[in-house]
Order: sequence, then C-alpha cells, then structure tokens
Amino acid sequence: AQKITQTQPGMFVQEKEAVTLDCTYDTSDPSYGLFWYKQPSSGEMIFLIYQGSYDQQNATEGRYSLNFQKARKSANLVISASQLGDSAMYFCAMREGFQGAQKLVFGQGTRLTINP
Amino acid sequence: NAGVTQTPKFQVLKTGQSMTLQCAQDMNHEYMSWYRQDPGMGLRLIHYSVGAGITDQGEVPNGYNVSRSTTEDFPLRLLSAAPSQTSVYFCASKTGKGPQHFGDGTRLSIL
Repeated sequence: AQKITQTQPGMFVQEKEAVTLDCTYDTSDPSYGLFWYKQPSSGEMIFLIYQGSYDQQNATEGRYSLNFQKARKSANLVISASQLGDSAMYFCAMREGFQGAQKLVFGQGTRLTINP
Repeated sequence: NAGVTQTPKFQVLKTGQSMTLQCAQDMNHEYMSWYRQDPGMGLRLIHYSVGAGITDQGEVPNGYNVSRSTTEDFPLRLLSAAPSQTSVYFCASKTGKGPQHFGDGTRLSIL
C-alpha cells in the first residue's frame, strides 16, 4: 500500500489565485512528520514546509500553509496568491518515527502550472 | 556556504562499468542519505547514514554500496552499472529535527 498519495498529477491555476495540492498518508506510527518539497524545472529539491504529528497548529511559511487533518490523514499544501514562479513539481513526503529519523517516503508529485 | 554538493552533475556509463557519485556537505550534519528519482515518480531512498561509520539500507539498495568515513562525505558506488539504474540521484543531509537539505542531483544514464 502506498504510504503517500498525491491524487492530482497536474493542476492549472490562474496567477494570483489560491491553490490546494492534496496529500493523504498512511501510517500506524503515532510519531511522524510531513514535508512538502518544490522541484522546479531546474531539478533541485526545495524544502517548503513541515508539520509534525503532535503539532497543535497548522504550519505556515509565508504564502505556504499546510492544512493538516489528522483524523482524515491528509496534509494538503495551500499556496496563497500564486505566482508564475510557483510553476513546478510539488512532492509530499512523510517521515515515520522519532524526529531524528531521516527516512523519507515521497508521493508521486503534482505538476503545478500557473497561467498568467 | 555550499550546503550539499554533488559531483558529477551528469554522467553516461556503459553497462557493467563502475563509478562513484560524490556527495559532500559543509553543515556538520550527522545524517546523510541517497535517493533516486525515476521519471514521473517521487524520490526513493537507497542508503542512509546516521553518522560516520554507520550506514543502513533504504527502500532500493540493490546494486549500490555506500560508506561514511567522515561526517562530510557520503559517496555512492555503483559496482556494475545496469540500464535500470538510469535515474537522477539526490544526496541529502539533515541534523536533529530539521528538514532534509538536498543537493542539486546527478543525472546518470546507463547505456
């Protein structure tokens, strides 16, 4: 069974609109972390935002926020006021176990295209 | 501050050849990992290390060897390259609770 599922292979959004990228996860470990990474066409992996399983509030980093619904096992990325530079692949990833653990399991990604 | 540096950026090999992908980090991170990314897929963990002298297997370790003699360096060795190992390889490092920091990747083609 897939541990990270991203159901949107591609999304097209108008510039300045908000966009939500979906991510659902599967784990029986009570301690885990969820990450979002951006991969532009140049290929590098850029860390965006992190949510821990015990965090009480949804994570936010500038225009990025994470809509964490623990009971539904979802961790959707919300980008407010999208920009042309947001066009990229976006990956959701999960770390199981204690916070020092470093094994990340990735979803297949969502290709986001921002139209002017 | 260079972060995570991978060399080479591109490489073409023939089936059966061996090579080493280099990874170095200057952030004094204790954790380092190697991932591969195949077309249309997310990254998959090959090997990882929690400190100098300690390595372990990830999800797809077959065909790859690693060693960690220093904190800074974590080379990935392909002993006998196969076309199935054509991929983009990413090295990453982290410390404590922080996120993984990735290098820019090595694009490897096996003919």
